[in-house]
Amino acid sequence: EIVLTQSPGTLSLSPGERATLSCRASQSVHRNYLAWYHQKPGQAPRLLIYGASSRATGIPDRFSGSGSGTDFTLTISRLEPEDFAVYYCQQYGRSWTFGQGTKVEIK
Amino acid sequence: EVQLVDSGGGLVQPGGSLRLSCAASGFTFNRHWMSWVRQAPGKGLEWVANINQDGSERYYVDSVKGRFTISRDNTKNSLYLQMNSLRAEDTAVYYCGRYDSSGEGYFDYWGQGTLVTVSS
Repeated sequence: EIVLTQSPGTLSLSPGERATLSCRASQSVHRNYLAWYHQKPGQAPRLLIYGASSRATGIPDRFSGSGSGTDFTLTISRLEPEDFAVYYCQQYGRSWTFGQGTKVEIK
Repeated sequence: EVQLVDSGGGLVQPGGSLRLSCAASGFTFNRHWMSWVRQAPGKGLEWVANINQDGSERYYVDSVKGRFTISRDNTKNSLYLQMNSLRAEDTAVYYCGRYDSSGEGYFDYWGQGTLVTVSS
């Protein structure tokens, strides 16, 4: 099983700041099949990024994904109030596993 | 508009059974793999099971193998999860998820979730 480790556990930032979230895999992710989701309290997750760097439909361009192999990054260029949430990475190259999540909270 | 509506959750005793449903609309259901993903209270996401378009392929996380069965009825645009021999650690919100159109394996749409509580 591929284990995904996200860091940091919590990121305290102000609106307008840049957020950088990390997702590290225990082995190489096949075809860079890595997705990012965010989840607000009481809501279902929402797809942000797939294939490590492709934005999902309707996702603003302040969200970007990068990386390959075992190291992946989600960057939010300028945080908007609605971006404060929990972020999960998921690999779907071999079976399907999620990271434990990074909470982006208002500082 | 793509919609997935989860239902069937509730309170069940350890060792009991429950059947979850996911009603799909707004897309051609029989062209997509479908999945169940769960989230224990205050915890992260855990993939539970997948099923292909015609139900001939099914995959499960190890912790539910032999106890849970994923199925679908393409004539009713519905996905199901039959859960037997339930344990306290199965307590979670269960979400159905739609595979992307290319079949790669990420989830582009999710249901709103249904809460399963296993407790005596």
